[in-house]
Amino acid sequence: EAQVTQNPRYLITVTGKKLTVTCSQNMNHEYMSWYRQDPGLGLRQIYYSMNVEVTDKGDVPEGYKVSRKEKRNFPLILESPSPNQTSLYFCASSFSVLDSNQPQHFGDGTRLSIL
Amino acid sequence: GDSVTQMEGPVTLSEEAFLTINCTYTATGYPSLFWYVQYPGEGLQLLLKATKADDKGSNKGFEATYRKETTSFHLEKGSVQVSDSAVYFCALQSSYKLIFGSGTRLLVRP
Repeated sequence: EAQVTQNPRYLITVTGKKLTVTCSQNMNHEYMSWYRQDPGLGLRQIYYSMNVEVTDKGDVPEGYKVSRKEKRNFPLILESPSPNQTSLYFCASSFSVLDSNQPQHFGDGTRLSIL
Repeated sequence: GDSVTQMEGPVTLSEEAFLTINCTYTATGYPSLFWYVQYPGEGLQLLLKATKADDKGSNKGFEATYRKETTSFHLEKGSVQVSDSAVYFCALQSSYKLIFGSGTRLLVRP
């Protein structure tokens, strides 16, 4: 089954404790992206990757890191989490972000609470 | 910059009622437009799309028409069901990302 898998689905942690949210897709997609969803703001892009070893900042990259060492994986790293990073996070992937006929597939989300 | 504005929710309807969720956008040129749906505890799923002016996207009884004159992409359904209860997001394609509206929660009562 074609899917985007995120782990963990839920995490409660404390300020400053490094964490990683994993994202894996099994569709051989070149493009992957991370969004955060906050009430009243919709989804905002954090980082994206056009292919292996190619990553770039989105609209809200502060406090986050990413890597793309393999095509299928795109982990989101919070080196020193802070309470303002409490949010619902989504990973997305597609064959080509510039082709509207190639829809983006979203994971089920990761709810992070930073205390 | 590019942006999407959606009507505030929640929208509460009785089963079989007519649904309209308004969406307007600001963008350079004529971007592709999308409606995504998010069911409780799940990720976003593409509901429908339109890639150029006057295109009508449709799926599962939902429709939306790309209106460049009014820069709008309103979502409509003639008869909603309880199973349509979800959050609906309007979005546009902008460079290497989607730009989303704030989402509209729909609650359909039996």
